[in-house]
Order: sequence, then C-alpha cells, then structure tokens
Amino acid sequence: AQSVTQLDSQVPVFEEAPVELRCNYSSSVSVYLFWYVQYPNQGLQLLLKYLSGSTLVKGINGFEAEFNKSQTSFHLRKPSVHISDTAEYFCAVSVPAGGTSYGKLTFGQGTILTVHP
Amino acid sequence: NAGVTQTPKFQVLKTGQSMTLQCAQDMNHEYMSWYRQDPGMGLRLIHYSVGAGITDQGEVPNGYNVSRSTTEDFPLRLLSAAPSQTSVYFCASSQDGGNTIYFGEGSWLTVV
Repeated sequence: AQSVTQLDSQVPVFEEAPVELRCNYSSSVSVYLFWYVQYPNQGLQLLLKYLSGSTLVKGINGFEAEFNKSQTSFHLRKPSVHISDTAEYFCAVSVPAGGTSYGKLTFGQGTILTVHP
Repeated sequence: NAGVTQTPKFQVLKTGQSMTLQCAQDMNHEYMSWYRQDPGMGLRLIHYSVGAGITDQGEVPNGYNVSRSTTEDFPLRLLSAAPSQTSVYFCASSQDGGNTIYFGEGSWLTVV
C-alpha cells in the first residue's frame, strides 16, 4: 500500500517570501503525484500533477513542484507568496493501472500555510 | 456549468439515524468517489465508482453504502449514524482516466 507524509503541519511565512511545502511518499510501484489547495470551507482545487515526463511541474497561481524519485519526494514551492495563498495544502498519490487512477487518491495529512503581512 | 454538487451542506443527525448525502455531476464523468476529511488525517476514500452500476470500497467503507444507477448521481448512505462519522464529506468526479479530479464543496455532518 502507498502512503503520503507531509512533513510540516503548519508553515508560517511573510508575504513576498519564498515557501516550500514538503511531501514524501512511500510506494512499491510507480505513482502519480498531486498537490491540492483547500481554502476555508471550500472543496479542493488541483494545483498541479505529475504523471510522467519532466520532473519539474508548473501549476496554477505560480506554484511548482519537483518530483524526486530517488528521495520519493514531491515538494511544492512558490518563489513569492501572497496573502491570498493562505490555505491548507494537500499532497496526494495514486497508483495507476494502465495509466488510469480511477479517481482514487491517498492523501497526506495537510499543511496549513499562513501568509503574514 | 455546475460541476460537482453536494447536498445538504450541513446536517445534524442523532446516533442511529440514517441519511443520504447526495452528489451530482454534470460533466459526464465516468469516475466518481466519496472522501471524508478529518482534522490531521487528510482525506480518506470511502467508496468509488468507475461507471454506472459499478462501485467498490475504498479505505474506510464501514457504515456507508453507495449505488450508481446513473452516470450523474452517486449518493452516499449512512445506514445507522455513529459519532465517529462526524466529518466533512467530499464527493468527487474525474476524467482523464481518473487523473483530473473535481471536488464538490463538501457536506458537514455532525452525529450527536
């Protein structure tokens, strides 16, 4: 079975500073990797995903993530954060069968990013 | 485009009561799923469906029932509610082989 560990439960940062949210995963087979954002009292929105190809993935809102197979990591980064980035961020994996995930994800515990003025 | 619609948004149940959380999507997606979100635990998969008439269990299926009679609808039934089922429930639908997932706004359920 696969598992996901988000190494920080809370990350405080000042506006315009860079941020990295860390995600490690465990799986005996190849996985697809995802980052989602959840604003208060809302559903989850996909930030970016890695299925194959280039290990540097660019997403929405200026976020990017790098897949590191040897370290089984998929850390999320943004060079300059805004107040509006305050939210909870979830890393997730799926185990595809023939390229299909069937909408089945295993999530990490979440990281609350708080951007201070 | 409404996307994924969940009802009700808030519900309070007494222990032992039953209820159904409704989920509908208008994107003609093949795959649908239900997750529950609990503090510090992320989201966990309850049940999922790969098409009308086909459902399967996820990580935490006990106490829940699902059916998929149409492509659009995927209701989640709580058979006999327990306080441990107090949670936020998210319905999701997906395309692209299940690799692009759209979530509903969530249903907050409290069991007293």
